[in-house]
Amino acid sequence: TQLLEQSPQFLSIQEGENLTVYCNSSSVFSSLQWYRQEPGEGPVLLVTVVTGGEVKKLKRLTFQFGDARKDSSLHITAAQPGDTGLYLCAGPLTSNYQLIWGAGTKLIIKP
Amino acid sequence: GAGVSQTPSNKVTEKGKYVELRCDPISGHTALYWYRQSLGQGPEFLIYFQGTGAADDSGLPNDRFFAVRPEGSVSTLKIQRTERGDSAVYLCASTMGGGPQETQYFGPGTRLLVL
Repeated sequence: TQLLEQSPQFLSIQEGENLTVYCNSSSVFSSLQWYRQEPGEGPVLLVTVVTGGEVKKLKRLTFQFGDARKDSSLHITAAQPGDTGLYLCAGPLTSNYQLIWGAGTKLIIKP
Repeated sequence: GAGVSQTPSNKVTEKGKYVELRCDPISGHTALYWYRQSLGQGPEFLIYFQGTGAADDSGLPNDRFFAVRPEGSVSTLKIQRTERGDSAVYLCASTMGGGPQETQYFGPGTRLLVL
């Protein structure tokens, strides 16, 4: 059972469309991180959300942390082919130094 | 290079063989993590080093897996008697200090295939 469930697993859309992907848990996290991973590379941190209800923007990407700190979303406006990749969310277990990871959303933006 | 490097980038071995995977963290980073990523999955925590010592090795799947970081910099992940189920991408990450809320900088991974 995944502690962090990401949906959808796969998303393929046309350039210029908007999209939202989700990261959900039944557990409370002190923070959640979003990463993007391209084929043959390691994940690269995009943002960390810490406060319940927090919204962070990174150009066309908007990240939101749920009020109860159990879920997060990533919204992309006017998607571009360069946004293609595997989007992963991760959060720390409070009891140790481990990061728990979701399985990711594989996003393809078609030109 | 300023980033995390991992060698080899690809490793093909036969079932039962021994393999070593190397990670060079960013210079000055005290913490180092090993993860395993199977196809279609997120990374799975294996072990965390703070300096030379393994602060948390609870993610190692069994005693065939072992990792060292003797001088607090380069780390080697060792897998004995490899099995086909060990096939995965092994990722290494480093952070400036300790704690999972610090930004983890990942290497490109070593793709291990056990035939």
